[in-house]
Amino acid sequence: RKEVEQDPGPFNVPEGATVAFNCTYSNSASQSFFWYRQDCRKEPKLLMSVYSSGNEDGRFTAQLNRASQYISLLIRDSKLSDSATYLCVANTNAGKSTFGDGTTLTVKP
Amino acid sequence: DAGITQSPRHKVTETGTPVTLRCHQTENHRYMYWYRQDPGHGLRLIHYSYGVKDTDKGEVSDGYSVSRSKTEDFLLTLESATSSQTSVYFCAISPDGYEQYFGPGTRLTVT
Repeated sequence: RKEVEQDPGPFNVPEGATVAFNCTYSNSASQSFFWYRQDCRKEPKLLMSVYSSGNEDGRFTAQLNRASQYISLLIRDSKLSDSATYLCVANTNAGKSTFGDGTTLTVKP
Repeated sequence: DAGITQSPRHKVTETGTPVTLRCHQTENHRYMYWYRQDPGHGLRLIHYSYGVKDTDKGEVSDGYSVSRSKTEDFLLTLESATSSQTSVYFCAISPDGYEQYFGPGTRLTVT
């Protein structure tokens, strides 16, 4: 079993839809969590950190459930430009990051 | 965007030859990382550095070595390249070992 697991998708949604991705982690020592976005043949880019209290950045909301060991990313009012692969990351300590394989989102007109 | 560059951006080499990839940063970040990304495997950590001359192994370190003699440079060496090392290699930097900023990647093909 992978340490960080994501549903690979693809998720195909119309513009304006709300879509949610989940990511589970198996290492209970994981301390910090992040979501990255990766466009085709490009480098990953940090989207947002995930805090225990949940956090929001515009149309994006990230949540952490430590008891169930999963993190989620909610995208509201999807735009065409949101089409990308979304990677979740769990850190056990500084320097040790484990990436999920990513969830692919395609937003269609 | 974080000041991070990788060189070369593309390389084709033959099996058995040594290859060195360079990552250069202008952010003075303490942490630097090397990942490889392959279809079906996502991003996998090869090695990382938490300071000059301080490095540690990642998940897939066999066949790779690294060196960091200056804060701004982190080198990844394949001593004797194999076809299984054909991949896209990403360097990343981080001020604190958590949020990471990635370079543009190097596409390496071993024939």
